[in-house]
Amino acid sequence: GQQVMQIPQYQHVQEGEDFTTYCNSSTTLSNIQWYKQRPGGHPVFLIQLVKSGEVKKQKRLTFQFGEAKKNSSLHITATQTTDVGTYFCAGPSSNDYKLSFGAGTTVTVRA
Amino acid sequence: GAVVSQHPSRVICKSGTSVKIECRSLDFQATTMFWYRQFPKQSLMLMATSNEGSKATYEQGVEKDKFLINHASLTLSTLTVTSAHPEDSSFYICSATRTGATGELFFGEGSRLTVL
Repeated sequence: GQQVMQIPQYQHVQEGEDFTTYCNSSTTLSNIQWYKQRPGGHPVFLIQLVKSGEVKKQKRLTFQFGEAKKNSSLHITATQTTDVGTYFCAGPSSNDYKLSFGAGTTVTVRA
Repeated sequence: GAVVSQHPSRVICKSGTSVKIECRSLDFQATTMFWYRQFPKQSLMLMATSNEGSKATYEQGVEKDKFLINHASLTLSTLTVTSAHPEDSSFYICSATRTGATGELFFGEGSRLTVL
């Protein structure tokens, strides 16, 4: 079945630096979503990308959907301590009845 | 944004007892809700899809007689862990969608179950 793979699993970042997390699907996705889960918290929706090649920005966060709609990335610039948490990508299953979540990228920040 | 409330947030029970977790959509009607299980430092594992007025759809490997799901109204789904054992200890999270099964998900706060 459809799987969503996410790398890296862990990202330890110096405050102020940039980093990127990547999401890849074995099949074409109708959309890709990104969620953030703070330590001890629950996942919170960040964004949904639908169009091929789409790029969306939220302040220091840049989300991109690949041209083939099989991969996506989240790039964070000038990382802050508030960026700590686990970022999940999620894409619809092949029959579109549920979302499949990636393994997540857990981000820690050193001041 | 939409609000999904989950209760209780923490529960400790003895082995062999049953525990019920509630998931409510507070400001919208959710025909579909989802139940996940999350182990420490791991991703969300979908357990079942809860459909209002019909039987839940369970993922492969999830025991439906162990994890009873009821979606009696458009704003409430419940997960009952029956005859709980220590290996059932986990973080259980529900979510709901307003725009179809693969639209934006609104998550509850989660329920941490500890079975002694």
